[in-house]
Amino acid sequence: DAKTTQPPSMDCAEGRAANLPCNHSTISGNEYVYWYRQIHSQGPQYIIHGLKNNETNEMASLIITEDRKSSTLILPHATLRDTAVYYCIVIKYGGATNKLIFGTGTLLAVQP
Amino acid sequence: EAQVTQNPRYLITVTGKKLTVTCSQNMNHEYMSWYRQDPGLGLRQIYYSMNVEVTDKGDVPEGYKVSRKEKRNFPLILESPSPNQTSLYFCASSPPPARYYGYTFGSGTRLTVV
Repeated sequence: DAKTTQPPSMDCAEGRAANLPCNHSTISGNEYVYWYRQIHSQGPQYIIHGLKNNETNEMASLIITEDRKSSTLILPHATLRDTAVYYCIVIKYGGATNKLIFGTGTLLAVQP
Repeated sequence: EAQVTQNPRYLITVTGKKLTVTCSQNMNHEYMSWYRQDPGLGLRQIYYSMNVEVTDKGDVPEGYKVSRKEKRNFPLILESPSPNQTSLYFCASSPPPARYYGYTFGSGTRLTVV
């Protein structure tokens, strides 16, 4: 599975959009980009995923570049409860395993 | 409410005393797995299960056992716990094909082995 690179930390003002980048330059054609977050030692929470098209759900938007080598998770109106570690994960499904490989993630601190 | 339930949330035990951490999901998911989380090492997969009676090792299976006799339950067994198994443990489940869905994680079990 492709490795990902994320900044270790970011700040965002409450009410503003939070844009979290992820680099996955070695991604292959059948690998998906997933985003999870973990709020202070709680279980990781699935946010969104995509293959090559941009995606949006009630939590966030995912923008994947045309060459698929990077992506951005957008939280449109960040709140204090969005303070968490955000993980970008690339995974290929199929075969005998569906393992999530968590990196170190980005600690997003939403400031009042 | 759709959820993955782990018990107990907190456990302190002594070296060598067998213990079981239970995991149950009410979403009829086929895939289940266990992860441990340690400072500086992140989340690592211990075991996973593709379906009833189908289990396999993850990245760090030493010292752990699992079983999948029913679809909803996937207990993690530590036959002889040691201090290096002190960690935060998470159970997760997903329907197939997992590429269309995310994993649902439990709230975690913080285990301390003294």
